[in-house]
Amino acid sequence: GAGVSQTPSNKVTEKGKYVELRCDPISGHTALYWYRQSLGQGPEFLIYFQGTGAADDSGLPNDRFFAVRPEGSVSTLKIQRTERGDSAVYLCASSKRPSGGAANEQFFGPGTRLTVL
Amino acid sequence: QKEVEQNSGPLSVPEGAIASLNCTYSDRGSQSFFWYRQYSGKSPELIMFIYSNGDKEDGRFTAQLNKASQYVSLLIRDSQPSDSATYLCAVNKGNTGKLIFGQGTTLQVKP
Repeated sequence: GAGVSQTPSNKVTEKGKYVELRCDPISGHTALYWYRQSLGQGPEFLIYFQGTGAADDSGLPNDRFFAVRPEGSVSTLKIQRTERGDSAVYLCASSKRPSGGAANEQFFGPGTRLTVL
Repeated sequence: QKEVEQNSGPLSVPEGAIASLNCTYSDRGSQSFFWYRQYSGKSPELIMFIYSNGDKEDGRFTAQLNKASQYVSLLIRDSQPSDSATYLCAVNKGNTGKLIFGQGTTLQVKP
């Protein structure tokens, strides 16, 4: 079956601009996660959705970052007034189970490489 | 202290050898543990998860968990050059879906 898909694969923008990154999870997966990964580091958690609601947004670095999942499937990560420090690979993952516990197998999409000039 | 720690490596092993990758975590409340493989320029790919003390085997891979010592390891038997990648350890605390990742260990398997 189809995996997690993310668009665009690459995004180059200028400092101060607004960007939207899209994630389409695996069909039937109720939980969706956003992470970002800088070079040489592991992914860093940003936000997690269970259905349409953000169950945990503790990883969002500041109020320039916002994410939505209006119909409980596709999610959009929105970054306002981008800064050079926002440059990273933004990864989306989805899982069947809504939370942690014994197994919370998360499957990642290919990522969006964001470059802020 | 980072929540999840891994030696960044690189760890270099000859083809056919056993590669041993280690990870320690700081929160005793952590409940489940995951190993991901990440090839250069690609996204993480789930290899295994473990949540009970002891060993869990899947093909050439064995995950080991010791909650008392707060470490989890991944053994790769009969290492192949195609196993050369960065291996990420991730921990879930159970009260939320988020994973906390280590920085990853780079493995090089030399023919």
